[in-house]
This record gives sequence, C-alpha cells and structure tokens, in this order.
Amino acid sequence: GQNIDQPTEMTATEGAIVQINCTYQTSGFNGLFWYQQHAGEAPTFLSYNVLDGLEEKGRFSSFLSRSKGYSYLLLKELQMKDSASYLCAVMDSNYQLIWGAGTKLIIKP
Amino acid sequence: GAVVSQHPSWVICKSGTSVKIECRSLDFQATTMFWYRQFPKQSLMLMATSNEGSKATYEQGVEKDKFLINHASLTLSTLTVTSAHPEDSSFYICSSTGQREYNEQFFGPGTRLTVL
Repeated sequence: GQNIDQPTEMTATEGAIVQINCTYQTSGFNGLFWYQQHAGEAPTFLSYNVLDGLEEKGRFSSFLSRSKGYSYLLLKELQMKDSASYLCAVMDSNYQLIWGAGTKLIIKP
Repeated sequence: GAVVSQHPSWVICKSGTSVKIECRSLDFQATTMFWYRQFPKQSLMLMATSNEGSKATYEQGVEKDKFLINHASLTLSTLTVTSAHPEDSSFYICSSTGQREYNEQFFGPGTRLTVL
C-alpha cells in the first residue's frame, strides 16, 4: 500500500532551526510537496522536489532523496507565525497526491 | 499566485437538508479540481477529482449519490452534500491545478459545514 510517515508533533524555540522529516512508500513518484496549514485554514504551497537534493526558498528549505524515500523540510530563524501543521504529499505514478497526516509544529518564545 | 475562492466559508444546516459549496479559480483555468474533507486533527482526505465537462472520479468509500460534484466550466466546480447528517460535519476544501510549473494544487479557503 501507499504510505507517508511524518512526526505528529514537534516543538521548537523562536529563532531556532527545526527539521521535519517525511518518509514515503508510493506506487511511482512524480514529486514531493510540502504545504503549510494554519489551524482552521486551507493548506498553502511551500515547496516541490522531484530531483534529489536541496531546494532553498528563503527561511525554508526542502530536501529529497528518492533512493531512500525520504524528504525533510528545514525551517530557519523560526518565528511565532510558523506555528502550523506541515503536510508532506507525494504525487504517485497516476499523478494522484498521497497526503501525510501532517506535523503540528509548536513554536515557543 | 493562483487564487481559488470557495463559498460559503461556513454553513450550519439542519439534518436532512442539502448544501451546495462552490469552488472558483479566479485568475486561471483549472484543468482539474479536487474536493477534500478534513476532520479535526486529521489529514486531508481526497473525496473526488473532477475535470471540466466530465463526470467526477470518486475515491473508494465516498458515496457519489450523496456528494454530487458538477464541474461545469474551467473556473467553477460545485459540491452538493445531499441529505446531510451530523456525521457529514467537516471542513470541506477544494483545490485546483492548471498550467502551473510544478502542477501544484492551490487550495480554496475551505468551507466549514455543521449539520445539526
């Protein structure tokens, strides 16, 4: 079956760095997405990786290793507004998005 | 970026009534639209995928006669929850893809449905 695993919850301190991991097993691979979802709101697109390596976008970076079925989202210089759930999603061979359950990130002052 | 609107943002209805939710792509033509449901503290659950002018493809376990989807144009899709019951109370979110660089989905703001 298809499966996306990510931690349920993480806590970090304002100004620090946090890494949210995601491992996946899917039928085929056409890219991995990270979305941010604040409570009560819809998800917003953060990043897309389809080749191995690191993609950097300001304070956020996303890494992919296809051979390991592994990705992480790295958030630097954490701000209180970064408190949200972070969803990992993989596009399979049918171009369907398989969603992880999300990681709730709590930022403490 | 792409903008997707959803209406209404919240709705409260009595059990047995039907509720229609609209999803519009405002500044691009949405090739495909997706309807998701999200229960509290759970991840997104895809309900159905619809392409303009054709019948929606429903995920396993989603009743097509209960959740009617109409994708009449490249900018509008509607989800009608027929004969709603309290267990249908949830956060319903639509998303769409168009001619984007990564084929990423852009989400509407969601509709919170409460069935009394």
